[in-house]
Amino acid sequence: DIVMTQSPDSLAVSLGERATINCKSSQSVLYSPNNKNYFAWYQQKPGQPPKLLINWASTRESGVPDRFSGSGSGTDFTLSISGLQAEDVAVYYCQQYYSSPQTFGQGTRVEVK
Amino acid sequence: QLQLQESGPGLVKPSETLSLICAVSGGSLSTRNYHYWSWVRQPPGKGLEWIGNFDYSGNTYYNPSLKSRVAISVDTSKNEFSMKLTSVTAADTAVYYCALTINSGTGGRGWFDPWSQGTLVTVSS
Repeated sequence: DIVMTQSPDSLAVSLGERATINCKSSQSVLYSPNNKNYFAWYQQKPGQPPKLLINWASTRESGVPDRFSGSGSGTDFTLSISGLQAEDVAVYYCQQYYSSPQTFGQGTRVEVK
Repeated sequence: QLQLQESGPGLVKPSETLSLICAVSGGSLSTRNYHYWSWVRQPPGKGLEWIGNFDYSGNTYYNPSLKSRVAISVDTSKNEFSMKLTSVTAADTAVYYCALTINSGTGGRGWFDPWSQGTLVTVSS
């Protein structure tokens, strides 16, 4: 199985500042023939199911604010939240769908400082 | 708008079988030809684990960690699918979600959207 490791486990950011979450996969999730990274980010607020934010490592889902952006390739990926809002307080998960079983990171909790 | 709603008992005894149903509304199970229908679970305070899914052809795909104990089936007449997990232990206590997996390749792979609200199943005597 591909192991997804997120860092940090938690972070506190002031409102309006940038939050950066990292995710590292134990092997590359880049499929060379189509040059796509089989990688997604989710946001989970308390008592709610995860919500898809980004797929293909950097493609924002419809309706997701543009302050959320995904970057990276191969084994190293980043989710950035520029200008943190109070409603962004949540746990964020990365996921690879390059190989089965698809696997998730352990989650990163984002709080307001 | 596609919506999924799971149902089932909230308490299961150790060694028994956990059974859940996912009802789909706003779309048909049999017309999502290029997607998968999945189960995912999340132990309290922990991360997410894909359990398994199936496609419109009836092919099923399971996480090897659970494959010997899990079975997913579909009832297209009711537009619902179900999951059975046998020989449960306390380690199977979790919030169970059903979700649509957007097909990105073979073997049931893809991202999950949308998700059901989730149901907590506790394994305890």
